Amino acid sequence: EAGVAQSPRYKIIEKRQSVAFWCNPISGHATLYWYQQILGQGPKLLIQFQNNGVVDDSQLPKDRFSAERLKGVDSTLKIQPAKLEDSAVYLCASSLTGTGYQETQYFGPGTRLLVL
Amino acid sequence: GDSVTQMEGPVTLSEEAFLTINCTYTATGYPSLFWYVQYPGEGLQLLLKATKADDKGSNKGFEATYRKETTSFHLEKGSVQVSDSAVYFCALTFTGGGNKLTFGTGTQLKVEL
Repeated sequence: EAGVAQSPRYKIIEKRQSVAFWCNPISGHATLYWYQQILGQGPKLLIQFQNNGVVDDSQLPKDRFSAERLKGVDSTLKIQPAKLEDSAVYLCASSLTGTGYQETQYFGPGTRLLVL
Repeated sequence: GDSVTQMEGPVTLSEEAFLTINCTYTATGYPSLFWYVQYPGEGLQLLLKATKADDKGSNKGFEATYRKETTSFHLEKGSVQVSDSAVYFCALTFTGGGNKLTFGTGTQLKVEL
């Protein structure tokens, strides 16, 4: 079974530029998550989708970050404009239903973003 | 709010040594507890989990017991190998939290020959 796919793996941009990350979850998984992992910290949830709908985006900086999940499958996370403090690893995860708090989440390899 | 506190690393051990990585949590209600592992260059992988008090999660020789009285979920392994070198994250989810994982800061483990 294929895992969670993410691209690109690495991205270097200058501040005020825009960038987009792509995620393809495990087939059949209804719920998709985007986490931000800043160096030396644990991952922090940015946004959670259940199928097409947003379940939680309370920690998404909406003035610069946006995300969508078209047709309830792939997802794109965008940053526009980027700031230095956005340098981090962006992790995508998926789970089967997202309705049980005991459910396992499966993570992709992450996209490492460096903002200069 | 809910939070997880882990011991700081790096932890450096010799091969076959005993490992303990401490994890304590603060949560309302009854969270589920997880240990995730991140090997160099790879994504996070679930190592083990426990969903109620006194449950023991185990996998690949690692164990952790959900202790409600001490709000702890310490990770242990009797004999570590070089291949166990990685970053270990303790995390929780809670009822009504929409399956959102709250992570600790991670503990780096280095195992030497």
